[in-house]
Amino acid sequence: DSGVTQTPKHLITATGQRVTLRCSPRSGDLSVYWYQQSLDQGLQFLIQYYNGEERAKGNILERFSAQQFPDLHSELNLSSLELGDSALYFCASSGGLGAVPNEQFFGPGTRLTVL
Amino acid sequence: EDKVVQSPLSLVVHEGDTVTLNCSYEVTNFRSLLWYKQEKKAPTFLFMLTSSGIEKKSGRLSSILDKKELFSILNITATQTGDSAIYLCAVWHGGSQGNLIFGKGTKLSVKP
Repeated sequence: DSGVTQTPKHLITATGQRVTLRCSPRSGDLSVYWYQQSLDQGLQFLIQYYNGEERAKGNILERFSAQQFPDLHSELNLSSLELGDSALYFCASSGGLGAVPNEQFFGPGTRLTVL
Repeated sequence: EDKVVQSPLSLVVHEGDTVTLNCSYEVTNFRSLLWYKQEKKAPTFLFMLTSSGIEKKSGRLSSILDKKELFSILNITATQTGDSAIYLCAVWHGGSQGNLIFGKGTKLSVKP
């Protein structure tokens, strides 16, 4: 158990809908990272937050947004969902200072299925 | 275009063998290179490398970075069936706002 929790474990929804994925980092970790993993694209970095502020951005679609709250938990919002958004979404956290990721601890992931 | 290329894509070895996995990269403003192991679940962080020529070691796994030739290798000695996994390499790069690019991974199968 990495200490990172993600909810829900599974999510099934329809095209056009909006969903919110939630992540609680390990106690004391200030950085939260979101990743998307699909069969055809592999693991892709979406976005990083450090102590409430956006610090790094990958190939995150405009339909997706994220935020990190004062209690350091983070939410990833996916809207106008398409079939291609079906994937496993991981959250990871790390401690230390600054934006460069050092040792990261991954949550178990949320499997999103868009029908 | 920024990219990270891993080779080989897959590898089958027998227990006790030593393997070397490769990761080459072309990015702007390199900051660090990371290795992960992924079995049937979430990735597990292995190493972060920022300096050339300094080997990082953890048990039977070791890794080194060459910033001049733009590559890294991950070595696994005396492989065990539990080493069977996908090994992912990623490069953190960029200026004030960074980005992390992953390679496609090397699928390692260790046979008894």
